[in-house]
Amino acid sequence: NAGVMQNPRHLVRRRGQEARLRCSPMKGHSHVYWYRQLPEEGLKFMVYLQKENIIDESGMPKERFSAEFPKEGPSILRIQQVVRGDSAAYFCASSELGTATEAFFGQGTRLTVV
Amino acid sequence: AQTVTQSQPEMSVQEAETVTLSCTYDTSESDYYLFWYKQPPSRQMILVIRQEAYKQQNATENRFSVNFQKAAKSFSLKISDSQLGDAAMYFCAYRGYIEIQGAQKLVFGQGTRLTINP
Repeated sequence: NAGVMQNPRHLVRRRGQEARLRCSPMKGHSHVYWYRQLPEEGLKFMVYLQKENIIDESGMPKERFSAEFPKEGPSILRIQQVVRGDSAAYFCASSELGTATEAFFGQGTRLTVV
Repeated sequence: AQTVTQSQPEMSVQEAETVTLSCTYDTSESDYYLFWYKQPPSRQMILVIRQEAYKQQNATENRFSVNFQKAAKSFSLKISDSQLGDAAMYFCAYRGYIEIQGAQKLVFGQGTRLTINP
């Protein structure tokens, strides 16, 4: 049973480009969470999704950021018109139930904006 | 809103010795979960130990144990017989218990970088 898979591991984008980060949850998990980790900081919650639904997006920036978790395929975190401040590690976690006590994390995608 | 504070940016310990990492949190809820995660240089977030707030007994996982003081809102991690492989960033995290929107998210502290001296 593969763990949470994130790709790419590293992503370099020029300012103004779009970044698409993918997350395949563990088998049987239908709840996905995205977190952002700025250098030397803890993880900050961005968004919580179930299949085809956004449950809590209270941590998402109001502009340029969007997330989806379609019925088929991975969850996608999309950042439009990236800026240097978007450079960070983005982590995805998944759980079997929304109330599960443990969410399993992927290895993250490190986004560098040049 | 819940907050988690780790007041020790860095800690170091001699191999085989014991070290304690501090964590305090703020919440108005009575039921919740607390976690310690380890993040080695690989960046993988690894769950070390978990504590349910309604349980009075402190959680233990092999060389890792916690001192959970609910009234003081304190949740420290003790690592006994430290090993070189314990070197990592350690994050304390809070999660609500009640099934309401937003309760499922983890709130993390700023982290403590632990160095093990051989």
